[in-house]
Amino acid sequence: GQQVMQIPQYQHVQEGEDFTTYCNSSTTLSNIQWYKQRPGGHPVFLIQLVKSGEVKKQKRLTFQFGEAKKNSSLHITATQTTDVGTYFCAGTYNFNKFYFGSGTKLNVKP
Amino acid sequence: EADIYQTPRYLVIGTGKKITLECSQTMGHDKMYWYQQDPGMELHLIHYSYGVNSTEKGDLSSESTVSRIRTEHFPLTLESARPSHTSQYLCASSEYGRGWTDTQYFGPGTRLTVL
Repeated sequence: GQQVMQIPQYQHVQEGEDFTTYCNSSTTLSNIQWYKQRPGGHPVFLIQLVKSGEVKKQKRLTFQFGEAKKNSSLHITATQTTDVGTYFCAGTYNFNKFYFGSGTKLNVKP
Repeated sequence: EADIYQTPRYLVIGTGKKITLECSQTMGHDKMYWYQQDPGMELHLIHYSYGVNSTEKGDLSSESTVSRIRTEHFPLTLESARPSHTSQYLCASSEYGRGWTDTQYFGPGTRLTVL
């Protein structure tokens, strides 16, 4: 069935190190969104990617959508303690309902 | 910050009780969703709606039901709560058919514990 896989499940980094999380689908996605959920909080929208090969940047965050629209990544440069949380990708297959990845929990040691 | 509200925020009840989790949004969004999320885990879609009088089941089998009589209101009801229903329930809404962006705005969630 339709499913979005996300790795890694956990990532522990030292403050200042980079971080990347990856999402993969076996079938072509219509679009993909990224959300951040702080501990004890609710998911908050970060960005949406729609076009093949699209790259978007938000300060230290870089989001990519693969050429085949089957994979996506979120890269954080020089992590800070404020980056702590779980990052989820969510994709649709026909701009219908969203399929969430399992999330990557990021811990940043000061 | 999005205007989407959930009540109650926390609920502890006994097995067999009927409960309704409330969700309201003031943004006029057509699409609304209910997700179930265990702590630190992925979100599972249990119900969604495209508008008034529209409800669909999500991918996670759920013994809950929903209704959408008004655009702004999307309550979820458990007829007979069981300990397996213990989880966090997140409500979300998004605009429908308004260009390419379909941002989901999440409510603060209801943490349900069934004893």
